[in-house]
Amino acid sequence: TQLLEQSPQFLSIQEGENLTVYCNSSSVFSSLQWYRQEPGEGPVLLVTVVTGGEVKKLKRLTFQFGDARKDSSLHITAAQTGDTGLYLCAGLRAGNMLTFGGGTRLMVKP
Amino acid sequence: AAGVIQSPRHLIKEKRETATLKCYPIPRHDTVYWYQQGPGQDPQFLISFYEKMQSDKGSIPDRFSAQQFSDYHSELNMSSLELGDSALYFCASSPRPAGNTIYFGEGSWLTVV
Repeated sequence: TQLLEQSPQFLSIQEGENLTVYCNSSSVFSSLQWYRQEPGEGPVLLVTVVTGGEVKKLKRLTFQFGDARKDSSLHITAAQTGDTGLYLCAGLRAGNMLTFGGGTRLMVKP
Repeated sequence: AAGVIQSPRHLIKEKRETATLKCYPIPRHDTVYWYQQGPGQDPQFLISFYEKMQSDKGSIPDRFSAQQFSDYHSELNMSSLELGDSALYFCASSPRPAGNTIYFGEGSWLTVV
């Protein structure tokens, strides 16, 4: 079983719609990172959230870390076709080991 | 800004051969991580190094070994390659003690035939 569960696994929406991706765990993480990965390329860091309850905004993307530091969400407002990709959440535990969630594959259609 | 550099980007090897992947971390990053990502899977942590010493060990097979050198670059050595070793291998780096932020390289594609 995954230590980190992401949902949904797949999401197909129309341009202009809003969406939320969830990352849940029963474990506490010192921080949680969100990455976006294109096929055949390395994950690109979007944001790191550290403090429970923290909210960070990156243009149309809003990231939230749960109060108990066990879960996080990524909300995209007015999705664009350029947002298409694989979104990965990754929790950081002792020793700086990242544990990845299963990923959410987003397709934004024009 | 400089990123994590990996080489080679693509590598094709036959079963039972040996492969070596190289990683050059972001300047002033002293911690290096290796991850393996199979097709359609999450990156899986293999091993990490801090200040040239092994820091943590994940699901790295005994056939694999790695080290970090005095210039902080790292090499992942894979021997007796198996078909199942075909994957994208990522190196990542972070600055300790500010280790919250981990940056990944572009990855090295290994295909074992």
